[in-house]
Amino acid sequence: SQELEQSPQSLIVQEGKNLTINCTSSKTLYGLYWYKQKYGEGLIFLMMLQKGGEEKSHEKITAKLDEKKQQSSLHITASQPSHAGIYLCGAPNPANFGNEKLTFGTGTRLTIIP
Amino acid sequence: DAGVIQSPRHEVTEMGQEVTLRCKPISGHDYLFWYRQTMMRGLELLIYFNNNVPIDDSGMPEDRFSAKMPNASFSTLKIQPSEPRDSAVYFCASSFHQRPPGTQYFGPGTRLLVL
Repeated sequence: SQELEQSPQSLIVQEGKNLTINCTSSKTLYGLYWYKQKYGEGLIFLMMLQKGGEEKSHEKITAKLDEKKQQSSLHITASQPSHAGIYLCGAPNPANFGNEKLTFGTGTRLTIIP
Repeated sequence: DAGVIQSPRHEVTEMGQEVTLRCKPISGHDYLFWYRQTMMRGLELLIYFNNNVPIDDSGMPEDRFSAKMPNASFSTLKIQPSEPRDSAVYFCASSFHQRPPGTQYFGPGTRLLVL
């Protein structure tokens, strides 16, 4: 079965600084989804990457997919308190892309300090 | 539009009792997912439905867990009998087939504590 490992597990960053979160898959990636979770709430979809080399941005968050490395990175520029939360990557079943089933990563807990 | 609605938001029960969690997906969505989240195991998919039919229940931990979707606007996850190791946050999520696979909308979760 596919496993997604995220690094770091937790991150404390000063407001205004940049940061990067990585998601590494044990198998070939056929798409990668990034979600954010605030404490006590459900997950919110951030963005989806479907092709190797693809890069997407939403406000100050940029995500990239490196198929060869079986890895995706999520970069936040000039972090703000609103960026705090848990970031999870999710990937579809490599044996059946298009299937709705996702495997999620271990999560990265991001704390922003003043 | 209302998002995914889950009830109750919190549940405290004693070991051996039956627990029923409820979910109302977003209107028009044809996929419904039940997840469990714990510190130790992270977010795990338990079961998902397409057009009210269970498609994959391989994540259901054991026979004590059962899920139903009697119609497009309602689903339940039942645990009978409950055990302390079932303590977790249970999320329901829904999606629409015309969106890219994996674009799921999550409810706020039910925080379950089994004593």
